[in-house]
Amino acid sequence: GAVVSQHPSRVICKSGTSVKIECRSLDFQATTMFWYRQFPKKSLMLMATSNEGSKATYEQGVEKDKFLINHASLTLSTLTVTSAHPEDSSFYICSASGGRAGVTDTQYFGPGTRLTVL
Amino acid sequence: AQSVTQLGSHVSVSEGALVLLRCNYSSSVPPYLFWYVQYPNQGLQLLLKYTSAATLVKGINGFEAEFKKSETSFHLTKPSAHMSDAAEYFCAVSRNQGGKLIFGQGTELSVKP
Repeated sequence: GAVVSQHPSRVICKSGTSVKIECRSLDFQATTMFWYRQFPKKSLMLMATSNEGSKATYEQGVEKDKFLINHASLTLSTLTVTSAHPEDSSFYICSASGGRAGVTDTQYFGPGTRLTVL
Repeated sequence: AQSVTQLGSHVSVSEGALVLLRCNYSSSVPPYLFWYVQYPNQGLQLLLKYTSAATLVKGINGFEAEFKKSETSFHLTKPSAHMSDAAEYFCAVSRNQGGKLIFGQGTELSVKP
């Protein structure tokens, strides 16, 4: 299958600090990665789309200077929440689609990262 | 523009009963359609997908869905519910392969013993 991992699975930080979340495709090359945010009992909200080697495309209303996305390689994308505040507390999920049969037309999701900002 | 509507934010069935989760979509182009399942505090797991091949799609864990263009529907079914099926289910649509997904609001499935 197509496996996507995220690290860390949960993180607690103080207000004003920055947090980096990693998303890796383990058994395929992810030409495109997506970052979502999910609030309790809610659906997923797409934050941004990133293609390897290109700048991320952010959805309307998402602050690109606050949520920095880097897609440095075909297996790794990172989301950095800068100067985090309590309202940034959420469940962040990444997904990836890529360049082999059965994977190009489907997004495969990571297990998510629970961010709590105190 | 594309959109997805899942009818019923919460569905409750008895163990062994039929599961039917409804999904209607709107799309100006032939859509790619997906059902994902999410267990508490976990990411999403792909159940099945429709990518313009067979209209009846079989997925994992005994689930299947039928693409009905005339009804713009992609309802998810399972003949006999199991306790382990209790989870949140999301229907999603995309306009191109591996592209941006538009999610429905989700349906929480409860299974009673």
